[in-house]
Amino acid sequence: DTAVSQTPKYLVTQMGNDKSIKCEQNLGHDTMYWYKQDSKKFLKIMFSYNNKELIINETVPNRFSPKSPDKAHLNLHINSLELGDSAVYFCASSPEDSRNSPLHFGNGTRLTVT
Amino acid sequence: AQSVTQLGSHVSVSEGALVLLRCNYSSSVPPYLFWYVQYPNQGLQLLLKYTSAATLVKGINDFEAEFKKSETSFHLTKPSAHMSDAAEYFCVVTHTRGYSSASKIIFGSGTRLSIRP
Repeated sequence: DTAVSQTPKYLVTQMGNDKSIKCEQNLGHDTMYWYKQDSKKFLKIMFSYNNKELIINETVPNRFSPKSPDKAHLNLHINSLELGDSAVYFCASSPEDSRNSPLHFGNGTRLTVT
Repeated sequence: AQSVTQLGSHVSVSEGALVLLRCNYSSSVPPYLFWYVQYPNQGLQLLLKYTSAATLVKGINDFEAEFKKSETSFHLTKPSAHMSDAAEYFCVVTHTRGYSSASKIIFGSGTRLSIRP
């Protein structure tokens, strides 16, 4: 009955490879997000989708491409991985009006690029 | 512009002692404020939220926070710390305007809480 699930939990890969992280939520929320957490625990929003439409695209290299096949899924594809991409990536969701509704987070995907 | 500042990247208290984690915000409009907790190797979970209904907000695990407009603060407290409270805590402010405030969800830099036996 996991609300927001993301896979894989750990991802170790070499520079230059292409990888994907999958995210699914069963809460019926309209909005989904990808966040990046660096080694100092700082959280930065990367993308936000509302009903499969991109509504936020922060300053993220275009090697990162989100894909939302339906409103319950938001996947993250990363091309040509670099050392600096190593981080923990969190998927989250919220009801359409996120102003006073909390975010529901997945447990994160720890990406290590060697 | 909206911002949130957490004072102290690391706080250490003894088990049974008072926990106080500080958060100050800056907002030109009435804010919505949240505290989240992140246990090791997990995602963030909501502790409590302020949405203008009451200035003293009670959350899970005996945590509470008080909204003080005059001080632009939203400090998190717990009367008696438990070992299980060791985690990273994030203060969050959200903007109230616009169709979607997703771009206005601003996280503080986090405070790591350690509990001494």
